Amino acid sequence: DVKVTQSSRYLVKRTGEKVFLECVQDMDHENMFWYRQDPGLGLRLIYFSYDVKMKEKGDIPEGYSVSREKKERFSLILESASTNQTSMYLCASSPIQPLFRRVHQPQHFGDGTRLSIL
Amino acid sequence: ELKVEQNPLFLSMQEGKNYTIYCNYSTTSDRLYWYRQDPGKSLESLFVLLSNGAVKQEGRLMASLDTKARLSTLHITAAVHDLSATYFCAVVGLSNTGNQFYFGTGTSLTVIP
Repeated sequence: DVKVTQSSRYLVKRTGEKVFLECVQDMDHENMFWYRQDPGLGLRLIYFSYDVKMKEKGDIPEGYSVSREKKERFSLILESASTNQTSMYLCASSPIQPLFRRVHQPQHFGDGTRLSIL
Repeated sequence: ELKVEQNPLFLSMQEGKNYTIYCNYSTTSDRLYWYRQDPGKSLESLFVLLSNGAVKQEGRLMASLDTKARLSTLHITAAVHDLSATYFCAVVGLSNTGNQFYFGTGTSLTVIP
């Protein structure tokens, strides 16, 4: 089974701190994703990466950055944490998803990190 | 940008009843996923639907896809308490940076004894 591991289940930080959320997957997936999940808003994509050292902005990248130095590890960085970044953060991975081919691997999710910024 | 809408957002139903959750998406896609999320847990893949008219069933859940209408449904038959969870649909779409998953807002289902 695919295993996506997020380093912390719960994290409490103060405003202005630099925060690192780590995610590791063990299935050699090319794609990795960071989402935040807020009530009534579903999952919103922050950043994703389709290869080592490659990153692309998602829908809400402001206030975040990412790092992918190794294929199995994708880090989300809050440069200067603010209270509106209090949320559940979910990491996911998947193999390449070519359109119009019968490849249908779903994303595999980690257990999430509930981050509170005080 | 591809938009994915689910309704209802919240659903409270009695055990034994049937109900349908709807997922609409705004542009062409060749696959649709349904996920389940239990409180405090991560998302678990339920179904992958790959073609127009595709139907998948697992226990009391049945998912279908109409690509022409850009609509997927998740039908719940004779609900039981164990089905209480949040259900998400997700569509793979082509963005200017490649393929991307687009998630609906989720439907929070509570089954009442």
